Amino acid sequence: DTAVSQTPKYLVTQMGNDKSIKCEQNLGHDTMYWYKQDSKKFLKIMFSYNNKELIINETVPNRFSPKSPDKAHLNLHINSLELGDSAVYFCASSRQVSTDTQYFGPGTRLTVL
Amino acid sequence: SQQGEEDPQALSIQEGENATMNCSYKTSINNLQWYRQNSGRGLVHLILIRSNEREKHSGRLRVTLDTSKKSSSLLITASRAADTASYFCATVRKDSNYQLIWGAGTKLIIKP
Repeated sequence: DTAVSQTPKYLVTQMGNDKSIKCEQNLGHDTMYWYKQDSKKFLKIMFSYNNKELIINETVPNRFSPKSPDKAHLNLHINSLELGDSAVYFCASSRQVSTDTQYFGPGTRLTVL
Repeated sequence: SQQGEEDPQALSIQEGENATMNCSYKTSINNLQWYRQNSGRGLVHLILIRSNEREKHSGRLRVTLDTSKKSSSLLITASRAADTASYFCATVRKDSNYQLIWGAGTKLIIKP
């Protein structure tokens, strides 16, 4: 009965590879988010989708491409991984846009070697 | 861009003492939220306080908001070892497409 789930929990890969992180929420929320948390614990919004439509797209490299097949899923695909992409990536959801409480997944620790 | 700034960056107290963390922000907000993050886990929502509210309570947590000073505080009373975590404030700015803007967090350590 996990509310927001992400897979995988850990991802170790070589520079230049392409990888995906999956996120699913079973809360019936309309809005989903991807965040990146760096080594200093600073949390930065990357993307936000509302009802499968992109509403926030912060300045991230276009190697990062979110995909929302339906309201309950928001996947993150990363092309040509770089060392600087190493971080913890969190998926979150909320009932509506950010004025509401956000519910976070457990995070995916990405390590690029 | 970073909006909320928590202080202190780190706080270490004895179990049973009260812990106070502060958050300052720069622009007008719709609401301010506090979250907790245990080591290696996702963030968990604690309290949301709206711009027209001054104080909210939830169990051992008390949050205040002073919009004139653009600051908020989170008080945890009678701290427990399980309260050890990082605490983040996040603000919803009125001019930011309603996205949450996060601070860097306060790392709280409760010594048994």
